Amino acid sequence: DAGVIQSPRHEVTEMGQEVTLRCKPISGHDYLFWYRQTMMRGLELLIYFNNNVPIDDSGMPEDRFSAKMPNASFSTLKIQPSEPRDSAVYFCASSYGLAELPSYNEQFFGPGTRLTVL
Amino acid sequence: GDSVTQMEGPVTLSEEAFLTINCTYTATGYPSLFWYVQYPGEGLQLLLKATKADDKGSNKGFEATYRKETTSFHLEKGSVQVSDSAVYFCALSEGGELTGGGNKLTFGTGTQLKVEL
Repeated sequence: DAGVIQSPRHEVTEMGQEVTLRCKPISGHDYLFWYRQTMMRGLELLIYFNNNVPIDDSGMPEDRFSAKMPNASFSTLKIQPSEPRDSAVYFCASSYGLAELPSYNEQFFGPGTRLTVL
Repeated sequence: GDSVTQMEGPVTLSEEAFLTINCTYTATGYPSLFWYVQYPGEGLQLLLKATKADDKGSNKGFEATYRKETTSFHLEKGSVQVSDSAVYFCALSEGGELTGGGNKLTFGTGTQLKVEL
């Protein structure tokens, strides 16, 4: 398996522009997570999905952020309009929920998208 | 709510030195505990885990024991190498045996480790 795939790896944009980050989870995984990492705030969970349904979006900073998962193999995180304070590395992760077995909840992370908003 | 507290970094050690990175947690139930490692320019990857009290997770010479009485999960390695230089994250999940897998993780702030020759 290729692992979690994210694109683009780097994105530089100007304030006010729309930014779309993409993620392809590991095939067969039914949970997908979006995180943001900055020096100031560390690693923050933004939103996560189970079977393509958003379960918890309490970490989404504001209405400028939106996430979708139209099918089991694709998710997007959109920022519109973008601001300089959105500059960060955004990670996508996926995992497989095993309801019948002891959980260890291993999440597999993608390489991240480094976003710079000028 | 759940929280994880890690020692501040960076931690700088000489090669072959002993490593301890402290991690304590607060949780309402019986969480699973994890250590993730992030190498420069990469995403996080699972280093080791423990799902119940007194379990010891181990991998690549690293170990951590789930101590319920002290709510701790300290990471140790007997002899570090330059290649161990990375950021280490302690994390917990409340998704234990009864609730199944896939629940969200609560991460600590990360501890940067630098190993020098």
